[in-house]
This record gives sequence, structure tokens and C-alpha cells, in this order.
Amino acid sequence: EAGVAQSPRYKIIEKRQSVAFWCNPISGHATLYWYQQILGQGPKLLIQFQNNGVVDDSQLPKDRFSAERLKGVDSTLKIQPAKLEDSAVYLCASRTAGHANTGELFFGEGSRLTVL
Amino acid sequence: GDSVTQMEGPVTLSEEAFLTINCTYTATGYPSLFWYVQYPGEGLQLLLKATKADDKGSNKGFEATYRKETTSFHLEKGSVQVSDSAVYFCAPLMGTGNQFYFGTGTSLTVIP
Repeated sequence: EAGVAQSPRYKIIEKRQSVAFWCNPISGHATLYWYQQILGQGPKLLIQFQNNGVVDDSQLPKDRFSAERLKGVDSTLKIQPAKLEDSAVYLCASRTAGHANTGELFFGEGSRLTVL
Repeated sequence: GDSVTQMEGPVTLSEEAFLTINCTYTATGYPSLFWYVQYPGEGLQLLLKATKADDKGSNKGFEATYRKETTSFHLEKGSVQVSDSAVYFCAPLMGTGNQFYFGTGTSLTVIP
């Protein structure tokens, strides 16, 4: 079974530029999450999708971050314009909806963003 | 509100030493509890889980028991190995949206 795929693995940009990250979850996983992991900290939830609908985006900085999951499969996270404090690893994760309280989360390898 | 508190690191142990990493949580209900591990250069992966009170999760010699009365899920291993060097995250699954709340992570280094 293929895992969660993310790209690009690494991205370096200057502040005020834009960047986009892509995620393809495990086939059949209805729930998809984007997390931000700053160095030395635990992952922080940015947005949660159930199929193509948003379940929770309360911690997404909507003035600069946006995310979509068209057709309920793969997803894109965009940052525009980027700030220095956006330097982090952006993790995509997915899980099945059928085990709402017990199903484990499967993570991609992450996209490391450096903002100069 | 819902939250998780995890023992801070870094932790350095000699091989075969006993390991405990503390984790407590605050939740309105009874969450499922998970420990995730991140080995150097790898992505996060599930280490073990427990879904109800008094359940014990175990994997690779690690154990954690769901303690409802103390709202805790401490990670233990009786004899650590160099290959256990990694960052460990406590992650209760809770909240109205069934979210994973990750602790700050505890870095473990095991020296021969």
C-alpha cells in the first residue's frame, strides 16, 4: 500500500514570495490533515478535511494560508506571502473516517520550507 | 480547553536503562491516546495506542497504560537500546473534530 505522498520535499524562498505544497493521501482515506511543525516543537494542526469539506481551520492564518482538497482526494496548501516565521516542516497526514476514535494517523515525509 | 502536556527533554540514557516519558492531558471526554515516534531522518509513525481506560498499548518493548483517574499516558521501556534514539510525541485524539493534539516532543538519545 502506498503511503502519503508529499512534494516538494524542500523549498527555499524569500519572504513575501509564495509557495505551494501538494499532498496525496493513502487511497480511501477520507480525512486529511495539514500540520505545521516548527523546529523543536510538536506538529500543530492547520486544517482538517473530511472528503472535500473543511472540518476545522481555526488555526489556519487565513490572511496568508489557504488550502483546498478538490474532489476529496489530493490537497494543496498555499502560503502567500510568506514570512520568516513560516519556516517549518509542513506535514500532511491521512486516516480513515470509519475509525473516528481509534484509527491511527499516517504521515507523509513532510515538506521543509525555509524562508529567507 | 483540550490540551496535552509532555515531559520536556532532551533525555540521555545509557543502553539498558529504564525509560519513562510523562504525558498528561486535559479533555472534556475520554480520548483515544497515542504515542508517535520520529526517528532521525524519517517521518512520524505510530508507536502504540490505547482507546479506553485501563488499556495498555505496547510495541517494540514500549508500553503505556491509559489512566483515566490521573488523565495520563506515560511511556515506559524497561531496557532502552541505541536504536530507540528518536523524538517521542504524546498525541491524544480528542475535541469535537476528532483532532490529534501533539505534545512538544521528547528527544531521547541512548548511548552505548
